[in-house]
Amino acid sequence: GQQLNQSPQSMFIQEGEDVSMNCTSSSIFNTWLWYKQDPGEGPVLLIALYKAGELTSNGRLTAQFGITRKDSFLNISASIPSDVGIYFCAGQPSNAGGTSYGKLTFGQGTILTVHP
Amino acid sequence: GAGVSQSPRYKVAKRGQDVALRCDPISGHVSLFWYQQALGQGPEFLTYFQNEAQLDKSGLPSDRFFAERPEGSVSTLKIQRTQQEDSAVYLCASSLFRWRKDLEAFFGQGTRLTVV
Repeated sequence: GQQLNQSPQSMFIQEGEDVSMNCTSSSIFNTWLWYKQDPGEGPVLLIALYKAGELTSNGRLTAQFGITRKDSFLNISASIPSDVGIYFCAGQPSNAGGTSYGKLTFGQGTILTVHP
Repeated sequence: GAGVSQSPRYKVAKRGQDVALRCDPISGHVSLFWYQQALGQGPEFLTYFQNEAQLDKSGLPSDRFFAERPEGSVSTLKIQRTQQEDSAVYLCASSLFRWRKDLEAFFGQGTRLTVV
């Protein structure tokens, strides 16, 4: 079952506002990734994080790998209508290895709605 | 092609029918993953291939589920004697087998399976 807890479950914001969402785990993760999924499409990778404390940006998106290795944050600045979608965090637990190396655990998603 | 291609996009099966879902990964991608995504949930891992070797099938929910990748490229996920609880979107993803990049999976659009 799912090991990652994403919050908030949904957000309704005005265009131009900043957005912040996070993902927490009860266990340590080696890697955090953030994906966006549009209706009827597969998830698209936004940002990958590999080191505790790492802060990475991709345009208006910024994500951080928490120093405890049990959480990660995604921020979107100056939101626009095309930011609408479902944002998923995903990660690889620290005890993954060998044949489980590539296996990702996903959160349940944050649904983002942007009002023009 | 440029991305991961899955077919069919939609499949309606009568309960008890066998189905086969196809995935064409990105050319040159060694790793291939299958995930199952129930409505309103994040993707859940089913199985993982490295070339033609199925290294992890721990997520397959029952022995009715079977996946293969005989030549290390195209993969097929087969579900025998489908049940209503099998209704979901089945996502395929592929990635390069290089340190860290193996985790940056590119997803296809998915196959939406509805069992009636």
